[in-house]
Amino acid sequence: DGGITQSPKYLFRKEGQNVTLSCEQNLNHDAMYWYRQDPGQGLRLIYYSQIVNDFQKGDIAEGYSVSREKKESFPLTVTSAQKNPTAFYLCASSRTKGINEKLFFGSGTQLSVL
Amino acid sequence: AQRVTQPEKLLSVFKGAPVELKCNYSYSGSPELFWYVQYSRQRLQLLLRHISRESIKGFTADLNKGETSFHLKKPFAQEEDSAMYYCALSGSGTYKYIFGTGTRLKVLA
Repeated sequence: DGGITQSPKYLFRKEGQNVTLSCEQNLNHDAMYWYRQDPGQGLRLIYYSQIVNDFQKGDIAEGYSVSREKKESFPLTVTSAQKNPTAFYLCASSRTKGINEKLFFGSGTQLSVL
Repeated sequence: AQRVTQPEKLLSVFKGAPVELKCNYSYSGSPELFWYVQYSRQRLQLLLRHISRESIKGFTADLNKGETSFHLKKPFAQEEDSAMYYCALSGSGTYKYIFGTGTRLKVLA
């Protein structure tokens, strides 16, 4: 069953804690993305990666970090520097880095602060 | 500034009525425009894209460069069209999408 898998579905973070959200794809896609979804604000880009071992900041990268050591994996770490982490996080991928490429989305991770 | 605007947070129509979800954009180059849809308990997925000039599930969208709009239309709404709809653009020189804030469509029986 091809697609994007995000885990966990729900995640809770304590004050001062770093947490990592997993995103794995078996679509053999080059590009991967992380979006944050807040009510009434749509999707905002956190980080994106066009190729292994390379990634770029999106519009709201502060307080987040990523890695792209393998083509199929693009984990997102929400650090303690992110003061308002409660949100729904979506991972996406696209076949190439072309501007007309369709995005495939995961089912998302809801992060909440304890 | 690059921006996608969806002015309606919620749009309610009766079954069988025409639907138009508005999308306006601001972009200095030549963008590609898309509509994504999220049905209840399903993943966000592509509905249609400008370059394909296709009609999916009865929906169409025409790019109007003069008015910088990409409104989504359907002549007769169905209850199964109820979902969250996002307009998005992707521009030359960048590989990131810009999404609007979304419009929730409710089709009433």
